[in-house]
Amino acid sequence: DGGITQSPKYLFRKEGQNVTLSCEQNLNHDAMYWYRQDPGQGLRLIYYSQIVNDFQKGDIAEGYSVSREKKESFPLTVTSAQKNPTAFYLCASSIATSDTQYFGPGTRLTVL
Amino acid sequence: GDSVTQMEGPVTLSEEAFLTINCTYTATGYPSLFWYVQYPGEGLQLLLKATKADDKGSNKGFEATYRKETTSFHLEKGSVQVSDSAVYFCALSNAGGTSYGKLTFGQGTILTVHP
Repeated sequence: DGGITQSPKYLFRKEGQNVTLSCEQNLNHDAMYWYRQDPGQGLRLIYYSQIVNDFQKGDIAEGYSVSREKKESFPLTVTSAQKNPTAFYLCASSIATSDTQYFGPGTRLTVL
Repeated sequence: GDSVTQMEGPVTLSEEAFLTINCTYTATGYPSLFWYVQYPGEGLQLLLKATKADDKGSNKGFEATYRKETTSFHLEKGSVQVSDSAVYFCALSNAGGTSYGKLTFGQGTILTVHP
């Protein structure tokens, strides 16, 4: 089945630790995105990538980093510089010729 | 910049009631408009979209019409079911320049349908 997978589903982190969230897609989509969702708020864009080895900051990139070494993969690292990292993180992808994005199931990150 | 405003929630309805969730937007140019649905603990699923003025998107009994004159994209369903209980997000894409593919979301509206 084609789709977007995110792992793990739940993640717990101690303060001061970096943590990496996985996002993989087998849809052969060119573009990939990371969003953050907080309770009662819409999604906010963290980073996006339109092609391999290239990515751009979104609206709330501070305290996060990404890489895009393969078309299928777009991991997100939440660094210790992110002051309020507890949130639900969603990965999405799209083809180059469409503005429709398809979302993964999400990872819930909790800082202990 | 671009923005999307949804009606305040939560919305609580009885089964078979009529649903309207209001959505208005501010954007330059001619954005595409979307409704996404999120069931508890899950990611977002595309519900419907419209790409130009007067287009009507529809899916699973839900409809929304792109109204450029009122900058609106209200979601409607004639008869809701308990299984429609979820969070609904209105969003736009203004694919121009370096912001290709970026979605701007409203804050979401929680819908609860009672039997």
